[in-house]
Amino acid sequence: AQTVTQSQPEMSVQEAETVTLSCTYDTSESNYYLFWYKQPPSRQMILVIRQEAYKQQNATENRFSVNFQKAAKSFSLKISDSQLGDTAMYFCAFKSVQGAQKLVFGQGTRLTINP
Amino acid sequence: GAGVSQSPSNKVTEKGKDVELRCDPISGHTALYWYRQSLGQGLEFLIYFQGNSAPDKSGLPSDRFSAERTGGSVSTLTIQRTQQEDSAVYLCASSLASGGASRETQYFGPGTRLLVL
Repeated sequence: AQTVTQSQPEMSVQEAETVTLSCTYDTSESNYYLFWYKQPPSRQMILVIRQEAYKQQNATENRFSVNFQKAAKSFSLKISDSQLGDTAMYFCAFKSVQGAQKLVFGQGTRLTINP
Repeated sequence: GAGVSQSPSNKVTEKGKDVELRCDPISGHTALYWYRQSLGQGLEFLIYFQGNSAPDKSGLPSDRFSAERTGGSVSTLTIQRTQQEDSAVYLCASSLASGGASRETQYFGPGTRLLVL
C-alpha cells in the first residue's frame, strides 16, 4: 500500500520569504500522480499544484513550484514570495494511475505566514 | 454549479441517530469520492463511484456507513446509529474520468462538519 509522509507538522515564516514543505512517499508503482492541496480555515481543499510521475520537468504554478525527485520518492513544495493568504494546512497526496483511484494523503503541514 | 457543493455545512446529532450527508458534484464529473477528516486519523478515503461501475467501498469503516449515487450525479452518505467517534469533517470530491492528471484531479467541496453528542 502507498504511504505519504510529511515530516513537518508546523512551519512559520515571514511574509515575502520563501518556504519549502517536504513530502516523501512510498510506492512500488512507476506511474502515478502527486498533488499538493491547501486547506485554509474555511476547510475548503484547494488544489495548489500537480505532477505526473512520468514527467521529469518540475511543475510550476506562479509562486508555487515542486522539486520532484522520483528515485528518492520525494515531492517538496516551494512557495516563493509568501503571502498572508498562503496561511493554511498543506497536504501532499498520491494517486495511483492503474490501481485504486483514491487519494492517499500525508498528515499535513500547518503553515503560518507572519506579517 | 461551478464547484462541488455539500449539505448541510454543519450537523449536530445525538448518539444513536441516523444522519444523511449530501454531495452535489461538478457538472459533467463522472467520478465521485467521499473522505473523512478527523484529528486522530487525518484524511481517510471512504468510498468511490465511477459511472455505472460498482463502487469501491473499501474505505467504509463499518457497516453503519453506506452511500449511494443516484442518476450518476448527487450522492448521499448515510451513517446509521451514529457514535461519538463518527464526529469528523466529511469531504466530497469529484473528477472527470481517467486520462491524465488534469482529468483525474479531484476537486473538493467545503465539507460537512458532523458532531455526535
